[in-house]
Amino acid sequence: QLQLQESGPGLVKPSETLSLICTVSGGSISDSPYNWDWIRQSPGKGLESIGTIYYRGTTLYSPSLNSRVTMSVDTSENQFSLKLSSVTAADTAVYFCARRRRQMGYFDYWGQGVLVTVSS
Amino acid sequence: DIQMTQSPPSLSASVGDRVTITCRPSQSIATFLNWYQQKPGKAPRLLVYSTSTLQSGVPSRFSGSGSGTDFSLTITSLQPEDSATYYCQQSHTVPFTFGPGTKVEIK
Repeated sequence: QLQLQESGPGLVKPSETLSLICTVSGGSISDSPYNWDWIRQSPGKGLESIGTIYYRGTTLYSPSLNSRVTMSVDTSENQFSLKLSSVTAADTAVYFCARRRRQMGYFDYWGQGVLVTVSS
Repeated sequence: DIQMTQSPPSLSASVGDRVTITCRPSQSIATFLNWYQQKPGKAPRLLVYSTSTLQSGVPSRFSGSGSGTDFSLTITSLQPEDSATYYCQQSHTVPFTFGPGTKVEIK
């Protein structure tokens, strides 16, 4: 059974960089039909797609976050990561990592989510 | 971005009732529409993908239909464990966007 687990600080100061890692177990991050995504959920904005990465390193970010987002993948560790720079209170949310079927675009496996609060 | 609307925002129904949730994207998305169920404190769970294909393990009382700009999720006989918030998501155009959710409560 595939499992995804987010890890990282739960509190980040304004203007700093939010960094999260998603560890995949029970399957390979190099499985070709899948992309690996970050999605966040906040009360004000609902579910919001942040970006996606393929195991070869190809990325695509949401236009609204593009200037602040960096995603990377480490196939040897079966992990992918998210960095979001210059955070503000508006970035406070539960962050999920998820597996996305490439052609059909649905998210079939999700991590449990991690709450990240931006506050000084 | 494609905007997704859902109706109703919330509903209350009895066990055994038939429940229908509607999702309308701001432009045509063919059949690239997926549905998720989310319970408090949990991640969303995929129920239906590509408009009408039931994800493995999802009870057959759930079904999806539609195309273009008009989609629906139906629960034919509501069960207590169906109390949750339901979200639609379009996978036609990046960035993939979600609806605001429909909260289903059991009377």
